[in-house]
Amino acid sequence: DAGITQSPRHKVTETGTPVTLRCHQTENHRYMYWYRQDPGHGLRLIHYSYGVKDTDKGEVSDGYSVSRSKTEDFLLTLESATSSQTSVYFCAIRGQGGEKLFFGSGTQLSVL
Amino acid sequence: AQTVTQSQPEMSVQEAETVTLSCTYDTSENNYYLFWYKQPPSRQMILVIRQEAYKQQNATENRFSVNFQKAAKSFSLKISDSQLGDTAMYFCAFMKVGTSYGKLTFGQGTILTVHP
Repeated sequence: DAGITQSPRHKVTETGTPVTLRCHQTENHRYMYWYRQDPGHGLRLIHYSYGVKDTDKGEVSDGYSVSRSKTEDFLLTLESATSSQTSVYFCAIRGQGGEKLFFGSGTQLSVL
Repeated sequence: AQTVTQSQPEMSVQEAETVTLSCTYDTSENNYYLFWYKQPPSRQMILVIRQEAYKQQNATENRFSVNFQKAAKSFSLKISDSQLGDTAMYFCAFMKVGTSYGKLTFGQGTILTVHP
């Protein structure tokens, strides 16, 4: 498809542990996004990136940090996971000048 | 800030019938895109249809069409000749044109079930 891979696909972790989710793209797209999906809320933007080392917060960024040291990789880190961060996490990419976002297959994260 | 509201948590339809999913949004912007995404049980996010706000003509993609009412800030999706494979969660989404970095704002979603 759009050459976007998320890893892992599923993860179970304990409260207080650090967690890093990875998004990898092969399209050389400039823009990358992290969303979380929760029942009754749809998808909500956590952080986004508009270039290498250029990132900014979305509407639900508390408790999350991101890094983008290479065009192809966008990492989402939960420094100390909480049960409220149990969710499905989606990465998305978008090319310069385009309005279409392409989504990864999602990561189901459970924090116990 | 933009908001997107889908007031129908769940809908159902018989195979081959027509169904309409509702979406309203709130924005002060004049130029934007609206989208409908489909999420089947596989969890994949699939773009169904998009509408550019400056175009008055409603977008269509095969069995999918929209009713875009800019003044009313309404953007409904009509699915004709419903098929079992249309069973999915449907999300309405908004994107501002310009310096928004392409961020999407989503509605809460509508679960559509197509019955044989």
